[in-house]
Amino acid sequence: DAKTTQPNSMESNEEEPVHLPCNHSTISGTDYIHWYRQLPSQGPEYVIHGLTSNVNNRMASLAIAEDRKSSTLILHRATLRDAAVYYCILRDTGSGGSNYKLTFGKGTLLTVNP
Amino acid sequence: DTEVTQTPKHLVMGMTNKKSLKCEQHMGHRAMYWYKQKAKKPPELMFVYSYEKLSINESVPSRFSPECPNSSLLNLHLHALQPEDSALYLCASSLRGLDHNEQFFGPGTRLTVL
Repeated sequence: DAKTTQPNSMESNEEEPVHLPCNHSTISGTDYIHWYRQLPSQGPEYVIHGLTSNVNNRMASLAIAEDRKSSTLILHRATLRDAAVYYCILRDTGSGGSNYKLTFGKGTLLTVNP
Repeated sequence: DTEVTQTPKHLVMGMTNKKSLKCEQHMGHRAMYWYKQKAKKPPELMFVYSYEKLSINESVPSRFSPECPNSSLLNLHLHALQPEDSALYLCASSLRGLDHNEQFFGPGTRLTVL
């Protein structure tokens, strides 16, 4: 599986934007970029995913570099409820790929200051 | 109903006990998963059921025995566990079997083996 690299931790202030980076230099053409987060004492929660184009949903935006070797999860206005571990995961949807698997890396622990 | 429920929330058992963890979803999802998460570590896949059939066993010891009685229910039977099996056990589901749809996670069962 292609690997991702994320900072161990990041800090943000409430109501400010947060940019969470992810490097995936060995990404293949059939890999989707998925983001999940895990709030304290809860199971992981899907945030967003994309292939090549930038994506927006009600929770966040995903900006994907043109060469796809990196991506950034953007929380437009952080709240205290956004404090969580954020996981960037590559999912291979190509023929024979293990696309049913979510292989979690270490993730980034986001702290939001009031 | 967009929820995955897990019971019990907490479980303490001795090494000679037999217990079961239960997971339920009523979203019509046809893939269900068991993950194990040790403290301060990311979740790790254990088993995948697709259309009520065991599709993936990630080399999990036989003291963990999964069961999928129907499309809404997933059990994990525990027998002769070791203290190192103490962890958060997460259940997840997704729409179709063996695809890259988002996974919905339950809150987990926190297991302590004495």
